[in-house]
Formats: sequence, structure tokens, C-alpha cells
Amino acid sequence: GAVVSQHPSWVICKSGTSVKIECRSLDFQATTMFWYRQFPKQSLMLMATSNEGSKATYEQGVEKDKFLINHASLTLSTLTVTSAHPEDSSFYICSARDTDRGLGYTFGSGTRLTVV
Amino acid sequence: ELKVEQNPLFLSMQEGKNYTIYCNYSTTSDRLYWYRQDPGKSLESLFVLLSNGAVKQEGRLMASLDTKARLSTLHITAAVHDLSATYFCAGEETNAGKSTFGDGTTLTVKP
Repeated sequence: GAVVSQHPSWVICKSGTSVKIECRSLDFQATTMFWYRQFPKQSLMLMATSNEGSKATYEQGVEKDKFLINHASLTLSTLTVTSAHPEDSSFYICSARDTDRGLGYTFGSGTRLTVV
Repeated sequence: ELKVEQNPLFLSMQEGKNYTIYCNYSTTSDRLYWYRQDPGKSLESLFVLLSNGAVKQEGRLMASLDTKARLSTLHITAAVHDLSATYFCAGEETNAGKSTFGDGTTLTVKP
């Protein structure tokens, strides 16, 4: 089935630094990828839709200058959390759908970000 | 805007028992998804329901979709401890290409 690889699995960074998270579709091409954030014991909240070769579409309330999304190829999207603060600590998950095979969405393994 | 409501939010059941999780959604949805999430892990896709009356089964789990009632159900048959997890339903708004998730149902199966 479709595989989405996400790295790193966890990261600890200092306040004010930036962190990049990668999301790769391994066996299919994804013109669109989705980035979610999940706080403990809560549901997934869509942050943005990443579109290959064009600007990402951000959900209301998500700062596009803080959460930079780049989707430079059909298999790779990156999310960079800039000038991270402790309140950005969360579980970040990407997903994509193999539309050629008509499957549902596949999720990356998630990245647990802790900002200290 | 699509809204998805799940209930119950918490479910504690004994092994061997049956139960149903309900997922109501507010507007027309192209697809309805069910996912499982184990603590500290990402989501695992369980079912994709595409049309009215769709029913899918995998092991002790069965999902169904009633588009007229805007309702999907996830039925658990003869629960076992391994089914303990959080289950999410998600709808995909027509032409929006993105999913909206319910709040999740945390299932605990006790011996």
C-alpha cells in the first residue's frame, strides 16, 4: 500500500530556533499533502494543505510566516517551524493520498516536537 | 463548513461485548473515513466509505455509512483488549479535498 515517511520522529529544540520536518511519499506521487497538529488527548487539526509547485493553503488562525511549508517535488513536503516557542510543542502529522490507486489517506508516523 | 461529531468520546467495555461508535456530520461529505490511533502513534487507516449504504468489515470491526442521515457507525463485535485505542472518524467535504476529524472515541477494553 501507499507509504508516507516522516522525519524526524521526535525533536527537542530551544526556544527561538527553527525546526524542519520532512514528509515523503515513498511509492506514489503526491501533488497534495496535508499537515496536521495534534495536542495531547485532542483531535487532529488541519494546519495547511501543501501543493506541489505552488503556495500552501493555510487554515484560518495558522501563521504562514511561522509554519513555512515547501512542496518542491511530487514526493516531498517540508514543514519548518520558525522561531519555535514552548506553545508550539505538539505532535505534527503529515498525510497524503495515492489518488491513482484510489486509496484513502496515508499518514506519516508523526513528529513529536518539544520546545524548551 | 463540515462539522463532524463523534460519540461517545470515551468508552469502556468488557471483553466479549459489542458496542457501536457513532459519527454524525453536518453537510454533504464525499467520503467518510475511520482511523485508529494508538497512544503516542500516528493514525492507521481502517475504512473508507464512499457511498450510501456502504458497509465494510475487517475482523471485529464493521463500518457503515448512511448519507441520508449523515451518519456513520463503527461497530465492535466481541471486543478484545487489542482493540483498545482511540478511533477517529473524518469526513471529506465535497470539492474541498481536505478532511475534518471528529473528536475521537477512546476505547478501553477490560478483561
